[in-house]
Amino acid sequence: DAKTTQPPSMDCAEGRAANLPCNHSTISGNEYVYWYRQIHSQGPQYIIHGLKNNETNEMASLIITEDRKSSTLILPHATLRDTAVYYCIVYNTGKLIFGQGTTLQVKP
Amino acid sequence: GAGVSQSPSNKVTEKGKDVELRCDPISGHTALYWYRQSLGQGLEFLIYFQGNSAPDKSGLPSDRFSAERTGGSVSTLTIQRTQQEDSAVYLCASSLGSFEKLFFGSGTQLSVL
Repeated sequence: DAKTTQPPSMDCAEGRAANLPCNHSTISGNEYVYWYRQIHSQGPQYIIHGLKNNETNEMASLIITEDRKSSTLILPHATLRDTAVYYCIVYNTGKLIFGQGTTLQVKP
Repeated sequence: GAGVSQSPSNKVTEKGKDVELRCDPISGHTALYWYRQSLGQGLEFLIYFQGNSAPDKSGLPSDRFSAERTGGSVSTLTIQRTQQEDSAVYLCASSLGSFEKLFFGSGTQLSVL
C-alpha cells in the first residue's frame, strides 16, 4: 500500500514554479522520499530523492519538513513538457509501490 | 544497450494463449522490477528480484503469472491462459540496488482479444 497522499491534479502556468505537495505522516526513520514522473505513454522517470535534508538537482528541488511528515517537489520554471503524473513514494528496500500521483498540467 | 530494453513492444494475442514478455536490464543492475499499468490507471507492482535472494512475488495477481530471472540478468514474465483483463502495458525497471533510482523500459503493450 502506498504510504503517501497527493492531490489528484494541479495546474501551473508556463514559466512559473510548480510546487507539488506530498504527505507521508507515517514515514519511518530509515525511509527515503522519492519522486518520479510519468509523461504520457512513457515509462516513469526518476526525478529526485532525499532522506532528511533538502535536495536539488538539474531537474528539481525537494523540500522535506523537519518532522519528515511532508515534502514538496519544486519545478522552478515549469515548461509544457513538464506536464505529467508526478509520484511521491516513501521507500527503504524491496518493492517500490506507486500511488495515484498528481497530474500536473502546465498551461501556456 | 544503455537503457532497459523490453520486447516485444506490442503483443496481440487471443484469449487463452500463453505469452512471454522479456526484459533486459541495464548491465550491472542487481534489482529488477515488473509492473503493469492498465489504461488510465496507476502502476501496479507485480514482482521484484534482488540479486540472488528469493523474489518478492506478492504483487502477482494470480497463479497464471510467473517470472524468472536467469543469471541475474534477463527476466521473462510469463502469463498463461491470458484473459482480456490482462490487457495492459507491462513495464520493467532495474536499479543498482536498494536505495538506488529505478530506470524503466518503454514497456510492452499487451492486448488480449
